Amino acid sequence: GAGVSQSPSNKVTEKGKDVELRCDPISGHTALYWYRQRLGQGLEFLIYFQGNSAPDKSGLPSDRFSAERTGESVSTLTIQRTQQEDSAVYLCASSSNPGGLPYNEQFFGPGTRLTVL
Amino acid sequence: AQSVTQLDSQVPVFEEAPVELRCNYSSSVSVYLFWYVQYPNQGLQLLLKYLSGSTLVKGINGFEAEFNKSQTSFHLRKPSVHISDTAEYFCAVSDFSSNTGKLIFGQGTTLQVKP
Repeated sequence: GAGVSQSPSNKVTEKGKDVELRCDPISGHTALYWYRQRLGQGLEFLIYFQGNSAPDKSGLPSDRFSAERTGESVSTLTIQRTQQEDSAVYLCASSSNPGGLPYNEQFFGPGTRLTVL
Repeated sequence: AQSVTQLDSQVPVFEEAPVELRCNYSSSVSVYLFWYVQYPNQGLQLLLKYLSGSTLVKGINGFEAEFNKSQTSFHLRKPSVHISDTAEYFCAVSDFSSNTGKLIFGQGTTLQVKP
């Protein structure tokens, strides 16, 4: 079946512009995660959705970052007034994990590479 | 809070040689441990995980990892690598009592297998 997809695959934007990154999880997966990977660093957790709710937003780095999920499916990560330090690969993952269990496998998308000039 | 350290950013190795990718973690609570692999131009995929029981865990593609609680390590090994094992490998942990399942990742190790 189809895996996790993300769009766009690459995004180049100018400092100060807003960007939207999209994630389509595996159908039926209730849990959805966003992570960020900056150059030379590991993946950083950003936000966790269970259904359409986000019980854990602890990783969002500033109030310029927001995310939503609709229909227990598609999620959008929005970055307002982008800064150069926002340049990174943004990864989405989904999991059939209705209880937020800590040992369920996460399935990752290919990522969106964001470059802020 | 947890943290994960992958001690080598790059590991070059010749085909058919053994390899070990090192991972150490720090946590004040019990954790579950994972290794994920990212092949070029693909998303991360689960290689193996340690939940409980035997400390030696076998994964896909002939990889295995050993959990060492006293040394807080979870090193990944393969006795004989192939060119196709060239990829980036990520060690990760999740909090035993987590109700979100979020993962804390290391910085990644690039395995370069040479012919």
